[in-house]
Amino acid sequence: AQTVTQSQPEMSVQEAETVTLSCTYDTSESDYYLFWYKQPPSRQMILVIRQEAYKQQNATENRFSVNFQKAAKSFSLKISDSQLGDAAMYFCAYRSPYNNNDMRFGAGTRLTVKP
Amino acid sequence: DGGITQSPKYLFRKEGQNVTLSCEQNLNHDAMYWYRQDPGQGLRLIYYSQIVNDFQKGDIAEGYSVSREKKESFPLTVTSAQKNPTAFYLCLTSGGLGRNEQFFGPGTRLTVL
Repeated sequence: AQTVTQSQPEMSVQEAETVTLSCTYDTSESDYYLFWYKQPPSRQMILVIRQEAYKQQNATENRFSVNFQKAAKSFSLKISDSQLGDAAMYFCAYRSPYNNNDMRFGAGTRLTVKP
Repeated sequence: DGGITQSPKYLFRKEGQNVTLSCEQNLNHDAMYWYRQDPGQGLRLIYYSQIVNDFQKGDIAEGYSVSREKKESFPLTVTSAQKNPTAFYLCLTSGGLGRNEQFFGPGTRLTVL
């Protein structure tokens, strides 16, 4: 089964600065989907950004962008101009289009934003 | 989120009791999943269902049971055989064209007293 690793249990960033959250994954598949989810204190899972593995261009959503390195199996999230509302748990996830279509999650990174 | 509901939001159970968590969706999604979240850990897959009247075990199915009698509903029963059931439970649906849509419910916090 695929595994997802987030090596940073906690990160902090100063408001308005930029922070990068790391994610690596293990798979033998060539086609798949990658996601970053945000989980605020309400615990609702909010989709931040998604990337299809067949696309070479890195996905971008406003202040959020990814650095997708397929050969290295790396999928980091960059948050620019950090805001207080960005403070949350962030989960990296992998989904295979084959078999179960279920999602595999990393252990999460808790992001703190300092005013 | 996106037409998926979970109830109740908070649930308390005495040891030895079975409890059922509800997950309902009006998205016409074929696939539904149950995940468990513990502090300091990511989400772990309990059960999933790709179509009505069919479901499969995930990574941590022991002590849980599910049913999928209709497309809109995928209830999860936490049985007394589950040794450490206190956790946050999340339901996920997947569907749409190419199964590109997926939404999480708001979750249920289960506490064993």
